[in-house]
Amino acid sequence: SQQGEEDPQALSIQEGENATMNCSYKTSINNLQWYRQNSGRGLVHLILIRSNEREKHSGRLRVTLDTSKKSSSLLITASRAADTASYFCATDLAGNQFYFGTGTSLTVIP
Amino acid sequence: KAGVTQTPRYLIKTRGQQVTLSCSPISGHRSVSWYQQTPGQGLQFLFEYFSETQRNKGNFPGRFSGRQFSNSRSEMNVSTLELGDSALYLCASSTPGQGIYGYTFGSGTRLTVV
Repeated sequence: SQQGEEDPQALSIQEGENATMNCSYKTSINNLQWYRQNSGRGLVHLILIRSNEREKHSGRLRVTLDTSKKSSSLLITASRAADTASYFCATDLAGNQFYFGTGTSLTVIP
Repeated sequence: KAGVTQTPRYLIKTRGQQVTLSCSPISGHRSVSWYQQTPGQGLQFLFEYFSETQRNKGNFPGRFSGRQFSNSRSEMNVSTLELGDSALYLCASSTPGQGIYGYTFGSGTRLTVV
């Protein structure tokens, strides 16, 4: 499978702490995206990082990409209870087709 | 600006029946992609339509089909339903040149096959 894998599968932290989740993938990519999904609902696009970028920031989000290791990480700083959700990485291979990772379930305890 | 609208939100069908799900993309978006999400398999790509043409297709049996209309609205159909087809079906729209914003997903249709 060319699907990515997130690590850890589940993460539980206290409000205010930072949350880091990782994504590994198998083939060369053009870009990598991170999405958030609240329970049983659609996914929300968070951030996209291109293959020639190494780091990108958006608000409390910081994404890194290491193409030599075929891995990416998503850091959420100063987490809030509202950040509780599942987080997925998605890699593009052909056209508008994306492969989603298995997801990290984040629980932020107030 | 209205988001991606999927109907119905919930659906219960019996094995052997067929089902049609609908997706209305964001106005101006011409690409519609469909994904199946299950606890065991995660998010799996079904197919993508652009300007009424199927551009990409995932690894699903022929029971899964779709189409796109001239107004970019899309439908997907599953025939001869099996218990394993129970899933959250998500549609996402995008438009050329807006790839940096990724997909915009609908809230999904929860299909339960009994």
